[in-house]
Amino acid sequence: DGGITQSPKYLFRKEGQNVTLSCEQNLNHDAMYWYRQDPGQGLRLIYYSQIVNDFQKGDIAEGYSVSREKKESFPLTVTSAQKNPTAFYLCASSISNPYNSPLHFGNGTRLTVT
Amino acid sequence: KNQVEQSPQSLIILEGKNCTLQCNYTVSPFSNLRWYKQDTGRGPVSLTIMTFSENTKSNGRYTATLDADTKQSSLHITASQLSDSASYICVVSASDAGKSTFGDGTTLTVKP
Repeated sequence: DGGITQSPKYLFRKEGQNVTLSCEQNLNHDAMYWYRQDPGQGLRLIYYSQIVNDFQKGDIAEGYSVSREKKESFPLTVTSAQKNPTAFYLCASSISNPYNSPLHFGNGTRLTVT
Repeated sequence: KNQVEQSPQSLIILEGKNCTLQCNYTVSPFSNLRWYKQDTGRGPVSLTIMTFSENTKSNGRYTATLDADTKQSSLHITASQLSDSASYICVVSASDAGKSTFGDGTTLTVKP
């Protein structure tokens, strides 16, 4: 089945440690996105990539980094510089023109930093 | 500033009843509006996508309407089922921004 796989589902880290969240898609989509979801709030865009080896900052990129070395993969690193990293992280993909096509989401990674 | 506001914030209905969720937006220039369903602990799943020229679109028991003049959309759920319990998110895209604006969602609980 085509889809987006995020791993792990739950992640626990100590404050001050960097952590990398995995996102893999087999939908052959060019564009991939990372969102953060906090309770009672809308999704906020962290980073997006429209093509391999290129990515752009979203609205809340500070404290995060990404890479796009392969079309299928778009890992997100939450660095120690991110002040409030505990959240639900969602990865999504779409065909190269997202305006008239839906985003396909993974099932998220819940990160807890203590 | 582009904004999407959804109401109500939460809603409880009995199984078999209908309900309507609202979405008002100020995104401009408008490209499309999408409704997603998000089950607890899962990623959102697309229900409908509507462009400027469409004012009604159905997906099974879900019917979305769009009034581009008043910048309002609604999602009507008919004959609700327990599995409809979820968060429903309205997302509006601007044609010149390359990004989407998400509403905070409406949490629907369907009780037996």
